[in-house]
Parts: sequence; C-alpha cells; structure tokens
Amino acid sequence: NAGVTQTPKFQVLKTGQSMTLQCAQDMNHEYMSWYRQDPGMGLRLIHYSVGAGITDQGEVPNGYNVSRSTTEDFPLRLLSAAPSQTSVYFCASSYGGGAPDTQYFGPGTRLTVL
Amino acid sequence: GEDVEQSLFLSVREGDSSVINCTYTDSSSTYLYWYKQEPGAGLQLLTYIFSNMDMKQDQRLTVLLNKKDKHLSLRIADTQTGDSAIYFCAESMGTDKLIFGTGTRLQVFP
Repeated sequence: NAGVTQTPKFQVLKTGQSMTLQCAQDMNHEYMSWYRQDPGMGLRLIHYSVGAGITDQGEVPNGYNVSRSTTEDFPLRLLSAAPSQTSVYFCASSYGGGAPDTQYFGPGTRLTVL
Repeated sequence: GEDVEQSLFLSVREGDSSVINCTYTDSSSTYLYWYKQEPGAGLQLLTYIFSNMDMKQDQRLTVLLNKKDKHLSLRIADTQTGDSAIYFCAESMGTDKLIFGTGTRLQVFP
C-alpha cells in the first residue's frame, strides 16, 4: 500500500493563477479530507467527503473547490490563488464511522502564492 | 464553538519528562488524540483516549484527561532528541472530522 499520496510536494503560484492539488489513497477509505496548516493556527478543515459523489464544506472552504468522482481520489482546486492561501496542505483519509485509529495523513503540499 | 488551545513552545533537556498540555471547549468530544509532526512530514497518530477514560499509558507516553476542566495532557518519559517535533492535540465527536489544536513545538536539548 502506498497509503495517502499527494502531488506536488511544492508549488509556487502567482496571484490569480489556478491549480489542482492531487490526493489519492489505495486503502479503499470512504472518508477523505483536506486541511491547511498555518503557523500558530494548527490544522483547519477545508473540505471533506464521506464517499464518492459526496462532499461538504469544512471550517475554511472559501476559495477552494473539491470533487469526489472515485473512492481513491480527492483533488483540491484553487480557482484564483491569493497570497492568503500560502500554506501547507494535508490530505487525510480513513474508513469512516468515527473509528479513532484509522485516519492517515499524506506528506503535504507546500504552496506559496506570490 | 470549538476551540482547542495549546502552548506554542516547550523546551526540555534530554532524559527529562515532557508534559504537553491542551484545553478544549466542546464537552461532547468522543475521542481525544495526540499527533506528532516531524519537520517536513505529515501527521502521525501517537495515541488517543476515549472520553470516558481518565488515563492511558502506552510505553513512554501517558495521556491524562480531565473532563471537568476540559484538559488533556501528554507526558513523554525519558525524552529523547528524536522526540523533537510539533505535537497536536485533536478532538472528534464520533465522526471522522478532527478539530486540531494550535500545536506545541517540543525542542529537546542535550
């Protein structure tokens, strides 16, 4: 198992550009989510999905879109990047159902918006 | 609202015990967690505790939960330089959505 993979590892964008952060898992997990990590603020939930075809907003969804067309993939789209979106982005997946020890995190994507 | 607070930094000498503290506001938490993040890496689950427990021990790690005060702590015995990392507490309310604390950077010096 590769676990949770994220690409790219690093990305620099100019203000107004768009891009997609990729996330994939090979554990047949139903639940997937995206967090952003900023200094002194911990991780904040952007969007999540409880299964293919179902997505919902988290705490900080503005400026981001997601879709879940397959169980394996959960891409995060920045439609028009802003400097405030400079952050480290983590994707996570789990079986679902709230079990405490099944959530796995990807290695992160470090995004800089100039 | 849901707020999870931690102090930002902790510095300890190698071999001493470290205690990382966390306070939360939502009394309906089901599980409380401790995650470790090493530099440039993702989050690794260290341990978790069910909300009806007071204490959980796992090798060098001891988790204490005071539900009355909404206070969670992580004690690392015999702290080593490899324990240097950022530690996050988190809570969940029976779902897979996690609410994270602000993170505590632990620095271990020789």
